[in-house]
Amino acid sequence: NAGVTQTPKFRILKIGQSMTLQCTQDMNHNYMYWYRQDPGMGLKLIYYSVGAGITDKGEVPNGYNVSRSTTEDFPLRLELAAPSQTSVYFCASSTTLAGKGETQYFGPGTRLLVL
Amino acid sequence: AQSVTQPDIHITVSEGASLELRCNYSYGATPYLFWYVQSPGQGLQLLLKYFSGDTLVQGIKGFEAEFKRSQSSFNLRKPSVHWSDAAEYFCAVGAGDDKVIFGPGTSLSVIP
Repeated sequence: NAGVTQTPKFRILKIGQSMTLQCTQDMNHNYMYWYRQDPGMGLKLIYYSVGAGITDKGEVPNGYNVSRSTTEDFPLRLELAAPSQTSVYFCASSTTLAGKGETQYFGPGTRLLVL
Repeated sequence: AQSVTQPDIHITVSEGASLELRCNYSYGATPYLFWYVQSPGQGLQLLLKYFSGDTLVQGIKGFEAEFKRSQSSFNLRKPSVHWSDAAEYFCAVGAGDDKVIFGPGTSLSVIP
């Protein structure tokens, strides 16, 4: 049982490049989330999904896209990388509504640097 | 809208000393409250949570937190800190829907 896994661990992008951050969970959780973490700012929700085929925007969705074709996978895509997207990205999952007290399980994070 | 504040950006304590990390929230109804810990280079791990019942909540690693409705607070405590407790601590609030709002975090350093 690996929990939530994320790849890559670290990546450097040039401005304008695109990339996909991978996230996979093996706990059969319906809910999955993408957060970004910036120093002194805590975690900000980018996108979330309540099940396969269903996604919704969070607090800071601009510049990102997601898809959820299976229960296990929830990739995050950056189409045109900008320096403002330099951050640490965390994927998380939960069985039901995190906002109603459900525990979120986090991956180890992807550190992205855009130059 | 709901929000979370953690007044202390950084705290330093000596090993063996007691610890209290402050958290205040803004939400109209009874919130769902969490404390998560992030060790260096790691993802977040749940320490404890509160959503009803006893206002003093016990968590993992010897931590506890107390919900005080009158003060809109959910402070985290530990009677004796260990060097391995050095980490970033996040308070979070759930508003009864899909999302959780995280505070800015408090960084804890422990002096041996």
